[in-house]
Amino acid sequence: GQSLEQPSEVTAVEGAIVQINCTYQTSGFYGLSWYQQHDGGAPTFLSYNGLDGLEETGRFSSFLSRSDSYGYLLLQELQMKDSASYFCAVRDSRANYQLIWGAGTKLIIKP
Amino acid sequence: GAGVSQTPSNKVTEKGKYVELRCDPISGHTALYWYRQSLGQGPEFLIYFQGTGAADDSGLPNDRFFAVRPEGSVSTLKIQRTERGDSAVYLCASSLTGAGTDTQYFGPGTRLTVL
Repeated sequence: GQSLEQPSEVTAVEGAIVQINCTYQTSGFYGLSWYQQHDGGAPTFLSYNGLDGLEETGRFSSFLSRSDSYGYLLLQELQMKDSASYFCAVRDSRANYQLIWGAGTKLIIKP
Repeated sequence: GAGVSQTPSNKVTEKGKYVELRCDPISGHTALYWYRQSLGQGPEFLIYFQGTGAADDSGLPNDRFFAVRPEGSVSTLKIQRTERGDSAVYLCASSLTGAGTDTQYFGPGTRLTVL
């Protein structure tokens, strides 16, 4: 089967760094994506890792290790506006590159 | 348009009624996806269009659900004989070609409530 595991909730302090982990099990892995979703809002694309290693985009970085079926999203210099749910999603090459989603991690930021 | 739009933003209906949900993708995007998201869960794939045709409808839960994209742009998700279990946020996304590396851009969703 296909599944993704990520923590349900993470709490951090404003200005700090937080890492959200994602492990996956899928039949046709074709890259790991991360999306941010504020309450009542649309999922917004953050980053994509097709190959092993680190991708950096401003305060956000994402890492992938295909051999470990593992990735993470790193958020630096946390701001209150970063309070949201973060989803990892795998592209499935055996299913028209559908996105298979984790259940999401709710990031709570305290001042 | 600038982004993916969906109408209505909210829809309340009674059990057994028929509903239509509309998605207007980003102009020029050939790939269009419908997802369903329940509270506290990630989006669940329903159907994928490549142009006018449904390339993959394996996520549609049963034959009460149907979607069309007659001119390769706007898509309509149709739900017959709605049930309370259909209550969810229905999300639409589009991408440029549907290729594996394409980013999917999401609309704000339609919150469907079946009473």
